[in-house]
Amino acid sequence: GAGVSQTPSNKVTEKGKYVELRCDPISGHTALYWYRQSLGQGPEFLIYFQGTGAADDSGLPNDRFFAVRPEGSVSTLKIQRTERGDSAVYLCASSLMAGANSPLHFGNGTRLTVT
Amino acid sequence: EDQVTQSPEALRLQEGESSSLNCSYTVSGLRGLFWYRQDPGKGPEFLFTLYSAGEEKEKERLKATLTKKESFLHITAPKPEDSATYLCAVQAGYGGATNKLIFGTGTLLAVQP
Repeated sequence: GAGVSQTPSNKVTEKGKYVELRCDPISGHTALYWYRQSLGQGPEFLIYFQGTGAADDSGLPNDRFFAVRPEGSVSTLKIQRTERGDSAVYLCASSLMAGANSPLHFGNGTRLTVT
Repeated sequence: EDQVTQSPEALRLQEGESSSLNCSYTVSGLRGLFWYRQDPGKGPEFLFTLYSAGEEKEKERLKATLTKKESFLHITAPKPEDSATYLCAVQAGYGGATNKLIFGTGTLLAVQP
């Protein structure tokens, strides 16, 4: 079966531009997560959706970052006025339901480079 | 503050040379400890979940164990295809709190033939 799909796989943008990163979770998975991973580091939590609502957005670094999941399936991470420090791999994950009994399944990420 | 520390940062083994990776954690209310494998350019791949001290899980050449302060990932007779970064993560919090995972920085394992 299909896993978590993220597009684009690579995105190069100029400082100050707006970008959108897309995540298609595994069909039927109600929970969706966004993480950010810098080189040599573990993934860092950004936001978690249960259905259409953001249940925990405590990891979003500032108000330039925003994410939506309008129909409870596909999610988009939006970054305004990009900065060079935003360069990282953005990972999306989904799980059948919330909780430790339902492990996260990750996509291969979008590598964002801000020049 | 919830924290996860992995050691060593990097480990080089000869094929067949068994070893262990360590994950130390400090959390308020452990709900689960997770091990993931990550290959270059790929997302993390789920390996195990451990819930309570004394629990063990095995998969092929890998065995994960858990105590109240740390987890070990034992690799028995590794093969070159076991080369990857191994990530440890915890889910913490009481009463249905956040479902986020807190990750360590990983151990980069290289197995030479």
